[in-house]
Amino acid sequence: NAGVTQTPKFRILKIGQSMTLQCTQDMNHNYMYWYRQDPGMGLKLIYYSVGAGITDKGEVPNGYNVSRSTTEDFPLRLELAAPSQTSVYFCASSYSGPAGNTIYFGEGSWLTVV
Amino acid sequence: RKEVEQDPGPFNVPEGATVAFNCTYSNSASQSFFWYRQDCRKEPKLLMSVYSSGNEDGRFTAQLNRASQYISLLIRDSKLSDSATYLCVAAPGSARQLTFGSGTQLTVLP
Repeated sequence: NAGVTQTPKFRILKIGQSMTLQCTQDMNHNYMYWYRQDPGMGLKLIYYSVGAGITDKGEVPNGYNVSRSTTEDFPLRLELAAPSQTSVYFCASSYSGPAGNTIYFGEGSWLTVV
Repeated sequence: RKEVEQDPGPFNVPEGATVAFNCTYSNSASQSFFWYRQDCRKEPKLLMSVYSSGNEDGRFTAQLNRASQYISLLIRDSKLSDSATYLCVAAPGSARQLTFGSGTQLTVLP
């Protein structure tokens, strides 16, 4: 069972570079999310999507972009990487809204911006 | 003030001990509550939902006190495998997003 798959697992970026974190899920979930987790901190929501073609900002969207062209895929784009974006990024999905449904997380992507 | 606050710990307890974590939330509109477990350098995984009447799952008991706006997690007969960070999570009734606490770190010692 693949569940939620994220790539890459580790990446080092130079300041000003751009990259895309890939996320795909095979559970036919409608909701997908991108979180970041800084050391010793809780997860902060970056963007989320309630279905293909629909995305919305979370708590910390600045410096990121997303798209949701299919139910399965929810890539996160970092434009002009900054040291403040050094973090662990988790993609997640749930069948419907998170209040009543289990959220399944990917294994995380460790990003360092130098 | 953080929306969800937890004692970061660390809690270091011997095997077999009972340990309790508390968590407070500031948004009185929060309707759903959860405890997630996160192992070191791993993704969070749902441990249990928290219901108003309290609920139990084996050695784990979760309780909710709406009047005081806090949630608790009790772990009985701690095992080495319980060592992890426990994340308290709250969501408003119509939530499209969850609010995570910073987590409480537990280490169970042999």
